[in-house]
Parts: sequence; structure tokens; C-alpha cells
Amino acid sequence: GEDVEQSLFLSVREGDSSVINCTYTDSSSTYLYWYKQEPGAGLQLLTYIFSNMDMKQDQRLTVLLNKKDKHLSLRIADTQTGDSAIYFCAERNTDKLIFGTGTRLQVFP
Amino acid sequence: GAVVSQHPSWVICKSGTSVKIECRSLDFQATTMFWYRQFPKQSLMLMATSNEGSKATYEQGVEKDKFLINHASLTLSTLTVTSAHPEDSSFYICSAIHKRSYGYTFGSGTRLTVV
Repeated sequence: GEDVEQSLFLSVREGDSSVINCTYTDSSSTYLYWYKQEPGAGLQLLTYIFSNMDMKQDQRLTVLLNKKDKHLSLRIADTQTGDSAIYFCAERNTDKLIFGTGTRLQVFP
Repeated sequence: GAVVSQHPSWVICKSGTSVKIECRSLDFQATTMFWYRQFPKQSLMLMATSNEGSKATYEQGVEKDKFLINHASLTLSTLTVTSAHPEDSSFYICSAIHKRSYGYTFGSGTRLTVV
């Protein structure tokens, strides 16, 4: 199947770290992505990781990939109120992107 | 670079009319574009893959006669919702593969409301 699952909601205090998790089912995925969507807007690419990598860091963002367990995570360091949004993981299958169910991140002061 | 422009941002139409949504790649050529549909508080559902100069490939369950896709040039794909009904009300988003970034660039989306 092509189900990509995420927890629905995450609430964190400003300044703390956020960890958003994602599980996927297609082991042949070549790239895995994290996107951010703000209300009423399109998707903003945050970062991606190639399937032969375990970790990728980009400023406040750290992506961990456990290919054996088909588990992907996004860690946001020093979370800010501007990070409040919905976060989608996505796996690339040939040229198609299959999106996760989305995690709503709420950051409170 | 890698900008995708989608128009209109929102549209309200009457039942039975048709609505056209445009998706343009502004600074790159997009041989392949994708159309997604998103219901409130839900994920993006891939509707179809639009290929320049050929017929679109529709996902299972998507009515190709209802959602007409045309990709006549390397920078423009259009989605026409024909004979729209209230259940077609949704947020429609296009995207294009931009190989330089290994990613997909998304349009800003179109909110369609059918009354």
C-alpha cells in the first residue's frame, strides 16, 4: 500500500524542540520530503532526504530516516510561533508524491 | 527560482458552470505537472499527472470527463472542473517537478466554492 501516516496534532512551547513523526510503507521510495502548509496556502518545501541517507541537518531542521522501520522524523529546534502550521511528510514513488496525513503543530508562548 | 503561479486564488461559481484553473511555471520548463485536491483538515490527494503534449494520467476514482486537464505548453497546465457541483468545492493545488531542487514546487492553491 501507499499509506503514509502521521500523528494529527502536536503542541509545544516556544523555544522547545518539536519532533514530528511519519511512517511510510513503500520501501522503494527514492526521496522523502517535509512540507509546511500555512492556512489557505500552498505547500512550502522545507527539506528532503535521499533514501540512502540516515540524517540530514539544515539550520533548525533535522531529518532522521530509519529505512528498516520505514520511519521518518522532522525535528525543529528552538520552535517559534511562526512555525505553527501543518506539516506533511511525503514519499516519492517514481514521479508521484504520496503525502502523509499531516500534523498540525501549534506553538504557544 | 522554481516558481509556480496558480490562478485564480479563489473562485465562487454556480452549480452547472465550468471553472478553469491555471498553473504556470514562471522560470523553468515543466514537462510534468500534478494536480491535487485537498479537503478541509485533510491531506492532499493526487488527482492526475499532467504531461506536456500528451493526455493526462488520472488516479483511480478521478473522473477524467469531470476534471479536464490540458498541458499544451512547457509552462502551462490547466484544470477545468466541468459542470461543477457543491461537492466539487475544495482546495485545488498544482505542482511541478523542478529537477534542480530535487523537489516539487507548488502553486499557492485555488479555493473553489460551488453554490
